[in-house]
Amino acid sequence: DAKTTQPPSMDCAEGRAANLPCNHSTISGNEYVYWYRQIHSQGPQYIIHGLKNNETNEMASLIITEDRKSSTLILPHATLRDTAVYYCIVSSSNTGKLIFGQGTTLQVKP
Amino acid sequence: GAVVSQHPSWVICKSGTSVKIECRSLDFQATTMFWYRQFPKQSLMLMATSNEGSKATYEQGVEKDKFLINHASLTLSTLTVTSAHPEDSSFYICSVEGDEAFFGQGTRLTVV
Repeated sequence: DAKTTQPPSMDCAEGRAANLPCNHSTISGNEYVYWYRQIHSQGPQYIIHGLKNNETNEMASLIITEDRKSSTLILPHATLRDTAVYYCIVSSSNTGKLIFGQGTTLQVKP
Repeated sequence: GAVVSQHPSWVICKSGTSVKIECRSLDFQATTMFWYRQFPKQSLMLMATSNEGSKATYEQGVEKDKFLINHASLTLSTLTVTSAHPEDSSFYICSVEGDEAFFGQGTRLTVV
């Protein structure tokens, strides 16, 4: 079973920040938090990952709480092309096996 | 990051026939690849771990004799759906392990 809980759906206005929450209260010390997204009928795309520090890249920012039990993915300026299902996954670094939950369907609206 | 290519992108086959799906790592030597299945409006489900030069490891509930996996080189893993039936119709996706996972574009299988 997936170790994460995400809201099933969210809406965001184009140009605004999209904040996607994820709960992972049973995360282990060696497990990273990964975010992927899947645009309809395509393979998932890696977005970002982190262990305990906040991370930022060209796509998004990842904010992890101090107790590591939850995190938030931030898309700073959402566009229509960001409409997708976003998956939050916890996984240890020594295995490539990813257990996907149901994810959050983000709908970016004009 | 790694570039992963699946072939074909979509396939329609008759019930009872076998279908082979290829997953190629174009710029990365992959000793391990993963195969997932995704039914409509559902999440991805890990089917098996493909190991170069050895047998694949299947997840619980996945029939190894029905879903044959061959990983003969560091750049190619194949998934063969044997004696396909309509319930096998699904979106099949492979991934390559790196610092993060790199996914193929997926193969949509329709069994009629």
